[in-house]
Amino acid sequence: DAGVIQSPRHEVTEMGQEVTLRCKPISGHNSLFWYRQTMMRGLELLIYFNNNVPIDDSGMPEDRFSAKMPNASFSTLKIQPSEPRDSAVYFCASSLAPHGRHEQYFGPGTRLTVT
Amino acid sequence: QQQVKQSPQSLIVQKGGISIINCAYENTAFDYFPWYQQFPGKGPALLIAIRPDVSEKKEGRFTISFNKSAKQFSLHIMDSQPGDSATYFCAAILRNTSYDKVIFGPGTSLSVIP
Repeated sequence: DAGVIQSPRHEVTEMGQEVTLRCKPISGHNSLFWYRQTMMRGLELLIYFNNNVPIDDSGMPEDRFSAKMPNASFSTLKIQPSEPRDSAVYFCASSLAPHGRHEQYFGPGTRLTVT
Repeated sequence: QQQVKQSPQSLIVQKGGISIINCAYENTAFDYFPWYQQFPGKGPALLIAIRPDVSEKKEGRFTISFNKSAKQFSLHIMDSQPGDSATYFCAAILRNTSYDKVIFGPGTSLSVIP
């Protein structure tokens, strides 16, 4: 299995532009997570999907952030408009099921820089 | 109360030495404690995990010690190697009706020098 796939790996954009990050979870996993990692705040959970349905979006920082999961093999995280404080590494992770202490498998991340 | 505290922030250990990372929590609802390892440019990966009814778990050179009464747990890396240089995150799993949520500590950057 190729693991969790994220694209792009690096994104540099100007303030005010729309940014879309993409994720393909591991086949057969029904739980998908988006995290943001910064030096100041560490790893923060942004949103959790189960069977393509958003279950917990309490970590989404504000309305500029939105996430979708149109099918079991694809999810997007969109920031519109982007701001310099959104600069971070964004990780997508998937796991086999929502309960049972299943391991979360992380993708390689997307490093976002907003200038 | 959902916080997991971790220390030290960074650690330098000589090759062959023991690396020790400590974590603490307050919320007694946490019921599983994984450790994740992250290399530069990569996502975190599960290293080892422990249930709260177990005081110690060992996997190769990696050992978790768990003190439920003190609400503390630690990772020991024996015979540390340069290849162990990475950031280590302790974590705690909080169960709710919808899913098992992972709360990560702030991380410890470990450098093992030859």
